[in-house]
Amino acid sequence: GNSVTQMEGPVTLSEEAFLTINCTYTATGYPSLFWYVQYPGEGLQLLLKATKADDKGSNKGFEATYRKETTSFHLEKGSVQVSDSAVYFCALFKAAGNKLTFGGGTRVLVKP
Amino acid sequence: GAGVSQSPSNKVTEKGKDVELRCDPISGHTALYWYRQSLGQGLEFLIYFQGNSAPDKSGLPSDRFSAERTGGSVSTLTIQRTQQEDSAVYLCASSFVSAGGEGYTFGSGTRLTVV
Repeated sequence: GNSVTQMEGPVTLSEEAFLTINCTYTATGYPSLFWYVQYPGEGLQLLLKATKADDKGSNKGFEATYRKETTSFHLEKGSVQVSDSAVYFCALFKAAGNKLTFGGGTRVLVKP
Repeated sequence: GAGVSQSPSNKVTEKGKDVELRCDPISGHTALYWYRQSLGQGLEFLIYFQGNSAPDKSGLPSDRFSAERTGGSVSTLTIQRTQQEDSAVYLCASSFVSAGGEGYTFGSGTRLTVV
């Protein structure tokens, strides 16, 4: 079946540091890939997406590139802020099942 | 309403009791999902409703769990004879079915604690 694996946290960084959160997936065909973010006390919200191989999703300074050859969708940000402290979830979507499959989530804590 | 509303926001129950969790989706959203967020376990799919179609119950962990969606709108997730391992945050999301994975709007969840 479909599955998503992402690095375990927590990840603790200083402000302006570089952030990478690794995500790999297992699925047949070409799923769409997503990063969702959950800020403290809030519901999950979409951060970025990529729907086909080599697509790059970007939003709020975050980027992730859909790599079919390595089945990966790693999230990166060049300079994090305290406000980026949250839990980040990698997810895949296949139309056949019409539901998102999430990874385990990675908690990121950015210290001033 | 403007968003997905879940109630209660917190629920503490004794082991063996039944609980009901409610989800009010965004008006007009035809798809409704329940997920469970356990500590260290990420988001686990439970059940999916789409219009009048039979729900996808493939994620329900046991027959103690059930859900219904009345009139294509409000949904209730029921857990019977709760166990301590049921303690988690239960999240509801809704979407237009055509929105794919990007159109989900999540509620803030119900934190269930079984003591």
